[in-house]
Amino acid sequence: QAQLVESGGGVVQPGGSLRLSCAASGFDFSIYGMHWARQAPGKGLEWVAFIRYDGGNRRYANSVKGRFTISRDNSKNTLYLQMSSLTSEDTALYYCAKDWPQPLNDAFDVWGQGTRVTVSS
Amino acid sequence: QSVLTQPPSVSGAPGQRVTISCTGSSSNIGAPYDVHWYQQLPGTAPKFLIYGNNNRPSGVPERFSGSKSGTSASLAITGLQPEDEADYYCQSYDSLSGWVFGGGTKLTVL
Repeated sequence: QAQLVESGGGVVQPGGSLRLSCAASGFDFSIYGMHWARQAPGKGLEWVAFIRYDGGNRRYANSVKGRFTISRDNSKNTLYLQMSSLTSEDTALYYCAKDWPQPLNDAFDVWGQGTRVTVSS
Repeated sequence: QSVLTQPPSVSGAPGQRVTISCTGSSSNIGAPYDVHWYQQLPGTAPKFLIYGNNNRPSGVPERFSGSKSGTSASLAITGLQPEDEADYYCQSYDSLSGWVFGGGTKLTVL
């Protein structure tokens, strides 16, 4: 059974950096794209970033472009999100999700439980 | 402001049918990119509910169905049950913004 487990969240000061990890198991991680999404307290879901199965294509939401970097290590079945220049607007529960390729818009078929990031002085 | 617009809340009594709308534009649902739906029970991660506008992943009850027309989509839940009380999100792809979600709809079972 496919499973995703996020880690690395915590409290960070404005302007600081943090790296999130997502450990995958139960499926062939190396052949699927992966996403990060987030949910601010009391708010809806927001897509953050995508990386292709081989790391060759990376996409970012406008709100994080230039500040966040998505990466993966297929030998470790692990997805990462390096976050820098953090602001209070980045405070959220961060989810990793498995991409499920579809002809007209990929879906997010497996989700982790999330790791909480709080940006505060 | 979400790219996809959903009503903030809907409600229904047990056994009733409710629908949740998701309105987009020509750069996403009308492009035409498919719509998927997710259910988020209180305090839990989102769950994959409907894909490709009107298909159910394995294990999702037949009570849940989806449809799409033009720049809008809908999720219908028939035979409403107390355990259906949750937040529901539509999701599509936008040619300008990438993957996008609706703002979410809170379903209350009366």
